[in-house]
Amino acid sequence: GAGVSQSPSNKVTEKGKDVELRCDPISGHTALYWYRQSLGQGLEFLIYFQGNSAPDKSGLPSDRFSAERTGGSVSTLTIQRTQQEDSAVYLCASSLVPAGGSTGELFFGEGSRLTVL
Amino acid sequence: SQQGEEDPQALSIQEGENATMNCSYKTSINNLQWYRQNSGRGLVHLILIRSNEREKHSGRLRVTLDTSKKSSSLLITASRAADTASYFCATSGGKLIFGQGTELSVKP
Repeated sequence: GAGVSQSPSNKVTEKGKDVELRCDPISGHTALYWYRQSLGQGLEFLIYFQGNSAPDKSGLPSDRFSAERTGGSVSTLTIQRTQQEDSAVYLCASSLVPAGGSTGELFFGEGSRLTVL
Repeated sequence: SQQGEEDPQALSIQEGENATMNCSYKTSINNLQWYRQNSGRGLVHLILIRSNEREKHSGRLRVTLDTSKKSSSLLITASRAADTASYFCATSGGKLIFGQGTELSVKP
């Protein structure tokens, strides 16, 4: 596709259940990010994948959160044993990383809205 | 913690007026970017300014960067009701970290 695609767009789950959120980045983009946005708040960095390098997981809030990126393309964010405070919009973005290693323009998906009851 | 801090948190102006939003950051950067978010939607990139640049223009947008003060400003001239959105700065020293945003309301 032409843009970043995320699924599901909405997910309602019960406390304690596991959820998986998927992101299809733009083809050829080497960098992929996951952010979390609570209602009316800014973007909280979660994890960053860059090419074949080890991901930067420094933003993951607890060990219940994990993410993987298979074949340098599709990424899945998994939240185990969900809690009510996990309710938020989870945004994925991808980017080309120009020479010098700094992230250029990010292209965002529309997000996955997670509600934990 | 977030790298960028923005002010004001909220700004309300009349159509035709200029809107200025400020962003401060803490560590050295390679570039600084501004994004816009309409309610409930994904973010859209507006402009990128590199650390060796001081000012950049794009249409009605003007961005300045002062690396000595670790600050940037976004100016939207001749605002329109359609400019109503949240605006975020993001700093890149490798990965991209976002500020808390400024909520802009432009009244017709």
